Amino acid sequence: DADVTQTPRNRITKTGKRIMLECSQTKGHDRMYWYRQDPGLGLRLIYYSFDVKDINKGEISDGYSVSRQAQAKFSLSLESAIPNQTALYFCATSDLGGTNEQFFGPGTRLTVL
Amino acid sequence: AQSVAQPEDQVNVAEGNPLTVKCTYSVSGNPYLFWYVQYPNRGLQFLLKYITGDNLVKGSYGFEAEFNKSQTSFHLKKPSALVSDSALYFCAVIYGDMRFGAGTRLTVKP
Repeated sequence: DADVTQTPRNRITKTGKRIMLECSQTKGHDRMYWYRQDPGLGLRLIYYSFDVKDINKGEISDGYSVSRQAQAKFSLSLESAIPNQTALYFCATSDLGGTNEQFFGPGTRLTVL
Repeated sequence: AQSVAQPEDQVNVAEGNPLTVKCTYSVSGNPYLFWYVQYPNRGLQFLLKYITGDNLVKGSYGFEAEFNKSQTSFHLKKPSALVSDSALYFCAVIYGDMRFGAGTRLTVKP
């Protein structure tokens, strides 16, 4: 969905390096999310934010941090990357309301050597 | 505890045949259930959702899903499969946050 963009789309890095994945959206949504996708495990929630001043841990937040710089921007950082963080990472947004569907970015494929 | 399960890793159907992709949930109360589809090298796309009301929900691309409270299921269906329906399908439930199943790879053969 072009309304949600992620950069970079692909990244190869080494163990111990700091990595930042960025997400921007033009949908005007307040809620933003970061997920990782691993084969056979589906998507797992890392962090989510309901507005600029709100940050919440998800199911698997250890080893990750986030920053909500503006309503439209939500970045994910790996302070010291490790190989088991190799995965496909997705950013998503949704409108206010607990029953609304989420809109996903195209994903970032991260490989940690 | 797993909130949503997709019991089949892979589903194969012939083009023109009906398809079903299964999903069961294990949350209490009234669940909010979703289906998403993922095509290669793309993010997930919303197909349909059940919040309340009619148990049969119609969504994008001719897909529909039936909510069955007694069987705690929300199976995705389509009367006549297309080769272009081949993709990875995810069931999800809102239980606090959104919880996804592991995914089912649907392959439709010509």
